This record gives sequence, C-alpha cells and structure tokens, in this order.
Amino acid sequence: EAGVTQFPSHSVIEKGQTVTLRCDPISGHDNLYWYRRVMGKEIKFLLHFVKESKQDESGMPNNRFLAERTGGTYSTLKVQPAELEDSGVYFCASSQAWTGSEAFFGQGTRLTVV
Amino acid sequence: DQQVKQNSPSLSVQEGRISILNCDYTNSMFDYFLWYKKYPAEGPTFLISISSIKDKNEDGRFTVFLNKSAKHLSLHIVPSQPGDSAVYFCAARAAGGTSYGKLTFGQGTILTVHP
Repeated sequence: EAGVTQFPSHSVIEKGQTVTLRCDPISGHDNLYWYRRVMGKEIKFLLHFVKESKQDESGMPNNRFLAERTGGTYSTLKVQPAELEDSGVYFCASSQAWTGSEAFFGQGTRLTVV
Repeated sequence: DQQVKQNSPSLSVQEGRISILNCDYTNSMFDYFLWYKKYPAEGPTFLISISSIKDKNEDGRFTVFLNKSAKHLSLHIVPSQPGDSAVYFCAARAAGGTSYGKLTFGQGTILTVHP
C-alpha cells in the first residue's frame, strides 16, 4: 500500500511568486493534516481536514496560505504571494482514526523562497 | 509560547548503551504523548506513545515514561544501535478542542549512536 506522498520534494521560488504543494494521503484516510517545520525548529500544525471539510485551520499563518481538499482525496496548499519567512519543510500526514497517533507522514516538501 | 520543549538539541551515545531523550510540556490539557523518529529527507515516523493515565509504556527496546506532576516525559532506548541515529520529536495531543488529532511538537533532539 502506498504511503503519504507529497509533490514536489523541493521547490525554489522567488519572493512574490506562487507555489502549490500537493499531498496524496493514504487511500481511505479521511483525516489529512498539514504541518510545517521552519529553520530546524519544532514541527507546527497548520490545518486539519476531515474528508473535504476544514476541521481546524487555527495554525494557518495568514491569508496568503490556502488549503483545499476537493472530493476528500488529495490536498493542495497554495502560498500566494510567497515571502522569505515561508521557507521551510511542509509535511502532510493522514490518518484513518480521529486521533493523531495513527497519523502517517509524507516525506515533506522543502520550500525555499529567495 | 512553546508548549512542548526538548531542551537538548543533541545527544551522543555509544552503541549498546542507553539513550535517554527528555521532553517537558506546559499544557495541562495534553492527554496523549507520542515520540516520532525522523531520518534526513524523510517524514516523521511514529515510534511509541503513552496515554496520560499511564506512567510507562514499553515496546521492545523503546520505553516511554510519563511524570504528570512534573509535566515531563522521557524516551529510553536500550540498547542503542547505530541505526537509531535520527532526530527524535516529542509530540502531544490535547483533549477536547476542535481538532483532536492536532499534534503539538517539540523542536527535536538529534541522537547520534556511535559504533
């Protein structure tokens, strides 16, 4: 069974540009989470989808970030326009259960804004 | 305000010895704690967890201890192996709230096990 996959693995963009990250969760997992790790610090929660609905988006930094999960399958996270402080590794995780303990993480997308 | 803290950025141990990774938290609403292990260029992988109603959970070479009164947990790896070298993240989940699956992570501790 395929794990959580994220595309692209790396992205380098200029400040002011737009970038879209994609996450394909494990098939059948209703819960999908986005997290971000900046500059070797802690991994921070961004938001949580249950199927196509946003359950909790309290961690989204500002309105330059837009997450979608159309049809309750894959999810995209768009940053528009990107700023230097958006650089970091963006992780996606999915789980079948309502709890984070069974969450499986993707390999992450390393975003560098120059 | 960081609610989960791993105050040791790195730890170096000899193969075969015990590795002890520590984690402190401040939020009394946390009711479930997890340790994740992360290799370079990979995502975090779940290692072991403990509920707040317990004080110890063991899985093979890995044991997690929870001291609720001190708001402290630790991960013991015995015996340590070179393949255990990775970044270890402590994470916690709060009871209630709008997103029960939301995890709060510490900064991570880099463990290096020398042969």
